[in-house]
Amino acid sequence: GNSVTQMEGPVTLSEEAFLTINCTYTATGYPSLFWYVQYPGEGLQLLLKATKADDKGSNKGFEATYRKETTSFHLEKGSVQVSDSAVYFCALTYSTLGRLYFGRGTQLTVWP
Amino acid sequence: DAGVTQSPTHLIKTRGQQVTLRCSPKSGHDTVSWYQQALGQGPQFIFQYYEEEERQRGNFPDRFSGHQFPNYSSELNVNALLLGDSALYLCASSFRVAKQFFGPGTRLTVL
Repeated sequence: GNSVTQMEGPVTLSEEAFLTINCTYTATGYPSLFWYVQYPGEGLQLLLKATKADDKGSNKGFEATYRKETTSFHLEKGSVQVSDSAVYFCALTYSTLGRLYFGRGTQLTVWP
Repeated sequence: DAGVTQSPTHLIKTRGQQVTLRCSPKSGHDTVSWYQQALGQGPQFIFQYYEEEERQRGNFPDRFSGHQFPNYSSELNVNALLLGDSALYLCASSFRVAKQFFGPGTRLTVL
């Protein structure tokens, strides 16, 4: 079946630290991969996406590369800010159906 | 242009009751998907509506049902509520199966 596994949180960092949140997936075929972010009290916002192997998605300083050989889509940011504090979800979908499969989420807290 | 809106924001029900949640999609969107997000978990797909019909369904019991109206808005109904139904219910809209936009959610508490 289709599933997404994220590293367990919470992750606590100081401002300007380097961030990595690991994500691996199990899927048949060739899914598209996403990172969503959920700020306190809000719905999900799409952060970045990649639709095929070796694609790199990027937005707001965050990056993730679609690695088919390791079935991974790790999220990275070189220098986090307090405003990046949120819950981050890795997800996959197949373009013909649109249904999203989410990981459990990783809580990130950044201290000044 | 308003994004995806959901109502109510919060509600509290008791076990055995029935609840209806509502979603208005983003302008121009024709597809609505519903997700359940339990505390500390990722969203789980409930079902998706397109052209007023349920097109896909996740692993949820028949107590969960829905409807889509001609104006593309949608309702999620849950019958015979259980304590385990307490969650944040998210609605997402899209044009066909393109990028999904999520609403802020409805927080349901079952006592």
